[in-house]
Amino acid sequence: NAGVTQTPKFQVLKTGQSMTLQCAQDMNHNSMYWYRQDPGMGLRLIYYSASEGTTDKGEVPNGYNVSRLNKREFSLRLESAAPSQTSVYFCASSEAGLSGLSYNEQFFGPGTRLTVL
Amino acid sequence: SQQGEEDPQALSIQEGENATMNCSYKTSINNLQWYRQNSGRGLVHLILIRSNEREKHSGRLRVTLDTSKKSSSLLITASRAADTASYFCASSGGSYIPTFGRGTSLIVHP
Repeated sequence: NAGVTQTPKFQVLKTGQSMTLQCAQDMNHNSMYWYRQDPGMGLRLIYYSASEGTTDKGEVPNGYNVSRLNKREFSLRLESAAPSQTSVYFCASSEAGLSGLSYNEQFFGPGTRLTVL
Repeated sequence: SQQGEEDPQALSIQEGENATMNCSYKTSINNLQWYRQNSGRGLVHLILIRSNEREKHSGRLRVTLDTSKKSSSLLITASRAADTASYFCASSGGSYIPTFGRGTSLIVHP
């Protein structure tokens, strides 16, 4: 099993450009998440999806949109990139969610390093 | 705002020594997890401790939880150079979604 995969690994954008980060998991997990990681800030939740067809905002959703395309795939879109969105983006998945499980081990992808000039 | 905060921010030790990292959180939790992140990689789950547990072991890892003090600690015994990484605590309260701290950067010198 590949686990959680993310594409691309690296991306450079100019201010105002748009792009979509792709994420897929092959563990049949209910929940999927998008985080950003900035130096000294730890991981901050952007959006999450408890199950196919549902999405919710996290701590820092402004400037982003998401799509839960199916149970496997969860994409993150930047409509008009800004330098403040320069970061490392991680996708994660977990079995918990509407399944009602109280534990929630998350499985992370390798990350996408995004630079916005 | 972030729920968990690790202490210290950075830790440098010699191989064979023990490494202790602490995590404090603000509100009641159902469980607390510890993750490890090697440079340039994603996070990897290490251990989960539930709110009704006080101590848990996994190999060279020992995690304690003190809900009265809203704190947890991660002890790595007999550290190795390969343990060099950042370590994050993540706490979950009423929602199953964990909130991550800022991490402790551990360097183990050979």
